[in-house]
Amino acid sequence: GQNIDQPTEMTATEGAIVQINCTYQTSGFNGLFWYQQHAGEAPTFLSYNVLDGLEEKGRFSSFLSRSKGYSYLLLKELQMKDSASYLCAVDGSSNTGKLIFGQGTTLQVKP
Amino acid sequence: DAGITQSPRHKVTETGTPVTLRCHQTENHRYMYWYRQDPGHGLRLIHYSYGVKDTDKGEVSDGYSVSRSKTEDFLLTLESATSSQTSVYFCAISGTSGSNEQFFGPGTRLTVL
Repeated sequence: GQNIDQPTEMTATEGAIVQINCTYQTSGFNGLFWYQQHAGEAPTFLSYNVLDGLEEKGRFSSFLSRSKGYSYLLLKELQMKDSASYLCAVDGSSNTGKLIFGQGTTLQVKP
Repeated sequence: DAGITQSPRHKVTETGTPVTLRCHQTENHRYMYWYRQDPGHGLRLIHYSYGVKDTDKGEVSDGYSVSRSKTEDFLLTLESATSSQTSVYFCAISGTSGSNEQFFGPGTRLTVL
């Protein structure tokens, strides 16, 4: 079967660093995406990993290990506006863009 | 922001009635997707399209049909709505499959009474 696991909720303090983990088991792999979704809004793209290693983009970084079926999203210098859900998604098909999403991790940033 | 709109944004209907949701894009993207989002399930793919008149089923396609007669429009139809189809529906577009991110529309909140 296809399965993507993320923690349901996390809490962190403004200015701190938080790591959101994602593990996946899919029949195929063509890349892993992270999306951010504020309450009542549409998901917006954060990052894409297809090769092992770390991709850095400003305060956000994403890591992938294909052999371990594991990814994480690292958020630095947390701000209150980072309070949102973070969705991990895997493209497990052969170039159809059919994404399989995890349930999402709701991050609450506290002052 | 990608030019993608959904209509209606909110709809309340009764069990057994037909419902059509519209997704419209101005980006001339080839790929279009319909998802539903429910608490505890995350986003799940209903149907997708890889070109005009080319569509295929996703993970939760039962009870839904789609049509794409023009590049810019992707319609999702619930032939006979049921309460289990109460959800938030998102349309997404992508210029290419795989490595390009999908851009999501604002969503449609559908309530079936």
